[in-house]
Amino acid sequence: EPEVTQTPSHQVTQMGQEVILRCVPISNHLYFYWYRQILGQKVEFLVSFYNNEISEKSEIFDDQFSVERPDGSNFTLKIRSTKLEDSAMYFCASSPGEETYEQYFGPGTRLTVT
Amino acid sequence: LAKTTQPISMDSYEGQEVNITCSHNNIATNDYITWYQQFPSQGPRFIIQGYKTKVTNEVASLFIPADRKSSTLSLPRVSLSDTAVYYCLVGDLPPDKLIFGTGTRLQVFP
Repeated sequence: EPEVTQTPSHQVTQMGQEVILRCVPISNHLYFYWYRQILGQKVEFLVSFYNNEISEKSEIFDDQFSVERPDGSNFTLKIRSTKLEDSAMYFCASSPGEETYEQYFGPGTRLTVT
Repeated sequence: LAKTTQPISMDSYEGQEVNITCSHNNIATNDYITWYQQFPSQGPRFIIQGYKTKVTNEVASLFIPADRKSSTLSLPRVSLSDTAVYYCLVGDLPPDKLIFGTGTRLQVFP
């Protein structure tokens, strides 16, 4: 069964550094998302991406964040200057299209900012 | 997106049927009801989706009364591996962002 993959599984970085989290969505999916989950808290929506552009973003997704689909397979989330409060699990998800509310989540990248 | 209310936690024993009810009084005509499951340190996983009446798949059943102001996720004969957080979400198609609440933490005991 196809699945969403994410790399790395765990990233440790120092405050102020840039990080890029990578995702490979399921190949025939059209909608892509990033969510995050701070330890012990709810899963929070960050951004959705469709047709090579951001379709919606949350208040969390400020100027420090950006997303890109550089080729036909990868979907990346960049945090330009990490803060301690960016420490969280980041999940990528993809969805096939307009007939389902189902999103397929990756295993996540645990980001630790020190 | 309609607000949902579900119990914070539930306990069960292996082999029992578990029913988790979700209230969504402000559900809109176009909204669907979807349930996700999340294990610790993993991404949420889609379980089931429905609009009205009853939906069943290999994992669970979803019961939706005529007024659609609530829904019940039914897990038959749970096992230890069903210990997870279960989220009820309500929203319209196409695939918009998912808004997760705090979910119901199900603990299954031997």
